[in-house]
Amino acid sequence: DAMVIQNPRYQVTQFGKPVTLSCSQTLNHNVMYWYQQKSSQAPKLLFHYYDKDFNNEADTPDNFQSRRPNTSFCFLDIRSPGLGDAAMYLCATSRDLAGGFNEQFFGPGTRLTVL
Amino acid sequence: TQLLEQSPQFLSIQEGENLTVYCNSSSVFSSLQWYRQEPGEGPVLLVTVVTGGEVKKLKRLTFQFGDARKDSSLHITAAQTGDTGLYLCAGDDGRTDKLIFGTGTRLQVFP
Repeated sequence: DAMVIQNPRYQVTQFGKPVTLSCSQTLNHNVMYWYQQKSSQAPKLLFHYYDKDFNNEADTPDNFQSRRPNTSFCFLDIRSPGLGDAAMYLCATSRDLAGGFNEQFFGPGTRLTVL
Repeated sequence: TQLLEQSPQFLSIQEGENLTVYCNSSSVFSSLQWYRQEPGEGPVLLVTVVTGGEVKKLKRLTFQFGDARKDSSLHITAAQTGDTGLYLCAGDDGRTDKLIFGTGTRLQVFP
Protein backbone atom coordinates (compact mmCIF):
# COMPACT_ATOMS: atom_id res chain seq x y z
CA ASP A 1 0.00 0.00 0.00
CA ALA A 2 1.17 3.50 -0.81
CA MET A 3 1.93 5.31 2.39
CA VAL A 4 3.87 7.85 4.44
CA ILE A 5 6.34 6.34 6.90
CA GLN A 6 8.01 8.09 9.80
CA ASN A 7 10.94 6.84 11.82
CA PRO A 8 11.37 6.54 14.63
CA ARG A 9 7.87 6.57 16.15
CA TYR A 10 9.32 7.64 19.49
CA GLN A 11 12.52 9.61 20.01
CA VAL A 12 14.08 10.62 23.29
CA THR A 13 16.90 13.12 23.27
CA GLN A 14 18.73 15.27 25.75
CA PHE A 15 18.51 19.01 26.00
CA GLY A 16 20.81 20.48 23.34
CA LYS A 17 21.62 17.15 21.64
CA PRO A 18 20.92 17.24 17.88
CA VAL A 19 18.25 14.91 16.59
CA THR A 20 17.05 13.90 13.12
CA LEU A 21 13.60 12.65 12.27
CA SER A 22 12.93 10.94 8.97
CA CYS A 23 9.99 10.62 6.63
CA SER A 24 9.60 8.55 3.50
CA GLN A 25 6.72 8.20 1.07
CA THR A 26 5.72 5.73 -1.61
CA LEU A 27 2.99 8.00 -3.01
CA ASN A 28 5.39 9.79 -5.38
CA HIS A 29 3.94 13.12 -4.26
CA ASN A 30 5.69 16.35 -5.16
CA VAL A 31 5.05 18.18 -1.93
CA MET A 32 6.24 17.17 1.54
CA TYR A 33 5.43 18.97 4.78
CA TRP A 34 6.69 18.97 8.35
CA TYR A 35 4.31 19.92 11.13
CA GLN A 36 4.76 20.29 14.87
CA GLN A 37 1.78 19.34 17.03
CA LYS A 38 1.47 19.90 20.74
CA SER A 39 -1.12 18.25 22.92
CA SER A 40 -4.65 18.43 21.46
CA GLN A 41 -3.76 21.38 19.27
CA ALA A 42 -3.90 21.69 15.52
CA PRO A 43 -0.72 20.86 13.60
CA LYS A 44 1.55 23.85 13.06
CA LEU A 45 3.36 24.00 9.73
CA LEU A 46 7.14 24.34 10.06
CA PHE A 47 8.12 24.18 6.39
CA HIS A 48 7.43 22.35 3.17
CA TYR A 49 9.12 21.31 -0.05
CA TYR A 50 7.58 21.63 -3.49
CA ASP A 51 9.90 19.23 -5.30
CA LYS A 52 13.30 20.62 -4.31
CA ASP A 53 12.03 24.12 -3.52
CA PHE A 54 12.17 24.75 0.22
CA ASN A 55 9.51 26.98 1.82
CA ASN A 56 10.09 28.04 5.39
CA GLU A 57 7.33 29.46 7.58
CA ALA A 58 8.17 32.91 8.92
CA ASP A 59 7.83 31.86 12.56
CA THR A 60 9.78 28.59 12.35
CA PRO A 61 12.83 28.87 14.64
CA ASP A 62 16.30 28.61 13.07
CA ASN A 63 16.83 25.59 15.31
CA PHE A 64 14.73 23.59 12.84
CA GLN A 65 16.20 22.59 9.49
CA SER A 66 15.12 20.24 6.76
CA ARG A 67 16.61 18.25 3.91
CA ARG A 68 14.98 16.51 0.97
CA PRO A 69 17.62 14.47 -0.86
CA ASN A 70 15.10 12.93 -3.27
CA THR A 71 11.36 12.69 -3.95
CA SER A 72 10.82 9.91 -1.46
CA PHE A 73 12.67 11.14 1.61
CA CYS A 74 12.57 14.20 3.82
CA PHE A 75 14.38 14.85 7.10
CA LEU A 76 13.76 17.19 10.00
CA ASP A 77 16.88 18.23 11.91
CA ILE A 78 16.59 19.89 15.29
CA ARG A 79 20.02 21.32 16.00
CA SER A 80 19.71 22.04 19.71
CA PRO A 81 16.44 20.73 21.12
CA GLY A 82 14.94 22.62 24.02
CA LEU A 83 12.26 21.46 26.43
CA GLY A 84 9.72 23.46 24.43
CA ASP A 85 10.44 21.36 21.34
CA ALA A 86 8.91 18.26 22.89
CA ALA A 87 5.97 17.50 20.64
CA MET A 88 4.57 15.20 17.98
CA TYR A 89 6.22 15.82 14.62
CA LEU A 90 4.09 14.98 11.61
CA CYS A 91 5.17 14.51 8.02
CA ALA A 92 2.60 14.88 5.25
CA THR A 93 2.57 14.72 1.47
CA SER A 94 0.38 16.03 -1.31
CA ARG A 95 0.58 15.71 -5.05
CA ASP A 96 1.11 18.48 -7.55
CA LEU A 97 -1.75 20.91 -7.03
CA ALA A 98 -2.26 21.78 -10.70
CA GLY A 99 -5.90 21.05 -11.34
CA GLY A 100 -6.36 19.30 -8.02
CA PHE A 101 -6.98 19.87 -4.35
CA ASN A 102 -4.47 20.05 -1.55
CA GLU A 103 -5.34 16.72 0.05
CA GLN A 104 -2.58 15.93 2.50
CA PHE A 105 -1.69 12.44 3.64
CA PHE A 106 -0.01 12.16 7.00
CA GLY A 107 2.45 9.75 8.48
CA PRO A 108 1.92 8.29 11.95
CA GLY A 109 4.17 10.90 13.56
CA THR A 110 7.27 10.87 15.74
CA ARG A 111 6.77 11.68 19.41
CA LEU A 112 9.83 13.63 20.58
CA THR A 113 10.72 13.77 24.27
CA VAL A 114 13.46 16.14 25.46
CA LEU A 115 15.07 15.37 28.81
CA THR B 1 -5.03 36.06 8.24
CA GLN B 2 -7.33 33.15 7.52
CA LEU B 3 -8.73 31.41 10.56
CA LEU B 4 -10.90 28.36 10.99
CA GLU B 5 -12.76 28.15 14.27
CA GLN B 6 -14.17 24.84 15.37
CA SER B 7 -16.89 24.29 17.93
CA PRO B 8 -17.25 22.77 20.32
CA GLN B 9 -13.65 22.45 21.46
CA PHE B 10 -14.45 19.39 23.57
CA LEU B 11 -17.34 16.96 23.40
CA SER B 12 -17.99 14.04 25.71
CA ILE B 13 -20.98 11.84 24.91
CA GLN B 14 -22.29 8.32 25.34
CA GLU B 15 -22.48 5.69 22.66
CA GLY B 16 -25.59 6.02 20.52
CA GLU B 17 -25.88 9.78 20.78
CA ASN B 18 -25.74 12.12 17.78
CA LEU B 19 -23.42 15.09 17.52
CA THR B 20 -22.45 17.92 15.21
CA VAL B 21 -19.10 19.68 14.93
CA TYR B 22 -18.86 23.07 13.26
CA CYS B 23 -16.02 24.68 11.33
CA ASN B 24 -16.41 28.41 10.60
CA SER B 25 -14.40 31.07 8.85
CA SER B 26 -14.84 34.50 7.32
CA SER B 27 -12.69 33.37 4.38
CA VAL B 28 -13.70 31.47 1.27
CA PHE B 29 -11.98 28.16 0.60
CA SER B 30 -11.69 26.31 -2.68
CA SER B 31 -12.03 23.05 -0.79
CA LEU B 32 -12.22 21.87 2.79
CA GLN B 33 -11.10 18.65 4.36
CA TRP B 34 -11.98 16.81 7.54
CA TYR B 35 -9.44 14.66 9.36
CA ARG B 36 -9.69 12.38 12.39
CA GLN B 37 -6.65 11.87 14.56
CA GLU B 38 -6.47 9.11 17.15
CA PRO B 39 -4.13 9.47 20.14
CA GLY B 40 -0.52 8.88 19.17
CA GLU B 41 -1.25 8.71 15.44
CA GLY B 42 -1.25 11.08 12.48
CA PRO B 43 -4.43 12.67 11.10
CA VAL B 44 -6.36 10.53 8.64
CA LEU B 45 -8.26 12.19 5.82
CA LEU B 46 -12.00 11.49 6.03
CA VAL B 47 -13.41 13.61 3.23
CA THR B 48 -12.85 16.57 0.92
CA VAL B 49 -15.75 18.89 0.05
CA VAL B 50 -15.45 21.21 -2.89
CA THR B 51 -18.77 22.60 -4.07
CA GLY B 52 -20.82 25.10 -2.06
CA GLY B 53 -23.78 23.28 -0.48
CA GLU B 54 -22.23 19.88 -1.06
CA VAL B 55 -23.19 17.04 1.27
CA LYS B 56 -21.08 13.90 1.53
CA LYS B 57 -21.82 10.81 3.58
CA LEU B 58 -19.34 8.32 4.94
CA LYS B 59 -21.32 5.61 6.76
CA ARG B 60 -22.60 7.36 9.94
CA LEU B 61 -20.72 10.60 9.18
CA THR B 62 -22.34 13.40 7.16
CA PHE B 63 -20.27 16.34 5.96
CA GLN B 64 -21.65 19.57 4.59
CA PHE B 65 -19.91 22.50 2.93
CA GLY B 66 -21.62 25.86 3.32
CA ASP B 67 -23.17 27.51 0.29
CA ALA B 68 -20.59 30.31 0.42
CA ARG B 69 -17.71 27.85 1.02
CA LYS B 70 -16.80 29.56 4.29
CA ASP B 71 -18.03 26.95 6.74
CA SER B 72 -18.61 23.25 7.14
CA SER B 73 -20.19 20.80 9.53
CA LEU B 74 -19.66 17.19 10.49
CA HIS B 75 -22.61 15.24 11.88
CA ILE B 76 -22.14 11.82 13.45
CA THR B 77 -25.19 9.61 13.93
CA ALA B 78 -25.24 7.03 16.71
CA ALA B 79 -21.69 7.64 17.89
CA GLN B 80 -19.50 4.67 18.71
CA THR B 81 -16.43 4.42 20.96
CA GLY B 82 -14.34 4.04 17.80
CA ASP B 83 -15.29 7.59 16.82
CA THR B 84 -13.21 8.94 19.70
CA GLY B 85 -10.45 11.26 18.53
CA LEU B 86 -9.45 14.76 17.51
CA TYR B 87 -11.45 16.06 14.55
CA LEU B 88 -9.74 18.69 12.42
CA CYS B 89 -11.11 20.68 9.55
CA ALA B 90 -8.63 22.18 7.10
CA GLY B 91 -9.23 24.72 4.37
CA ASP B 92 -7.44 25.06 1.07
CA ASP B 93 -7.34 28.62 -0.27
CA GLY B 94 -6.50 27.33 -3.74
CA ARG B 95 -3.51 29.69 -4.07
CA THR B 96 -0.78 28.18 -1.91
CA ASP B 97 0.53 24.72 -1.10
CA LYS B 98 -0.65 25.11 2.49
CA LEU B 99 -3.76 24.14 4.45
CA ILE B 100 -5.34 26.28 7.14
CA PHE B 101 -6.17 23.96 10.02
CA GLY B 102 -9.09 24.48 12.34
CA THR B 103 -8.69 24.70 16.09
CA GLY B 104 -9.83 21.08 16.55
CA THR B 105 -12.62 19.28 18.36
CA ARG B 106 -11.74 16.55 20.80
CA LEU B 107 -14.49 13.92 20.92
CA GLN B 108 -14.74 11.29 23.63
CA VAL B 109 -17.41 8.63 23.25
CA PHE B 110 -18.11 6.54 26.34
CA PRO B 111 -19.62 3.05 26.25
